[in-house]
Amino acid sequence: DQQVKQNSPSLSVQEGRISILNCDYTNSMFDYFLWYKKYPAEGPTFLISISSIKDKNEDGRFTVFLNKSAKHLSLHIVPSQPGDSAVYFCAASAIDDKIIFGKGTRLHILP
Amino acid sequence: SQTIHQWPATLVQPVGSPLSLECTVEGTSNPNLYWYRQAAGRGLQLLFYSVGIGQISSEVPQNLSASRPQDRQFILSSKKLLLSDSGFYLCAWNYLGEKLFFGSGTQLSVL
Repeated sequence: DQQVKQNSPSLSVQEGRISILNCDYTNSMFDYFLWYKKYPAEGPTFLISISSIKDKNEDGRFTVFLNKSAKHLSLHIVPSQPGDSAVYFCAASAIDDKIIFGKGTRLHILP
Repeated sequence: SQTIHQWPATLVQPVGSPLSLECTVEGTSNPNLYWYRQAAGRGLQLLFYSVGIGQISSEVPQNLSASRPQDRQFILSSKKLLLSDSGFYLCAWNYLGEKLFFGSGTQLSVL
């Protein structure tokens, strides 16, 4: 049973444009959501998070939006840069519980 | 500051051989520790997590086991490796309710 779903295995975006990565979840107890970025043969690095009391969190070029009624969150990267090419993982957890990851979306930034 | 060490970086093992991967965390006490595996097309799968010495929770039935002999040490083991154990293994730590910090990973190839 996949509680965190990233339905797009890959996404290609032109450099300078906006990248939008989507994520859906099924567990209504989730209250903390995170995005991680991963390069090949490296550990994932934390990008940005949002708690369920908010619907938006922004950090530089990265913005995460949360729609609790739809159980959906998205990561916006603008403007997209070549170094943004990586696999992005959406993750979620309930209060004081383990973090569950999606399968990831591979983002390709095109020159 | 906290750091997480994971070794080895790469490992090639024959089918049926034993496995021991070690992870240690510095600069923190009583962390939650995790083992994840990234297999092709499977995303980041949680294998084991531990909230304290000797306390291990297994998330999926498998050929692997984990142990936590000391507060900041987490070991992933197998008595006999299978081909399906190949993958990228990641150790991580956090405090409950907070973001995860990952190690650099171990690429395991079982031949």
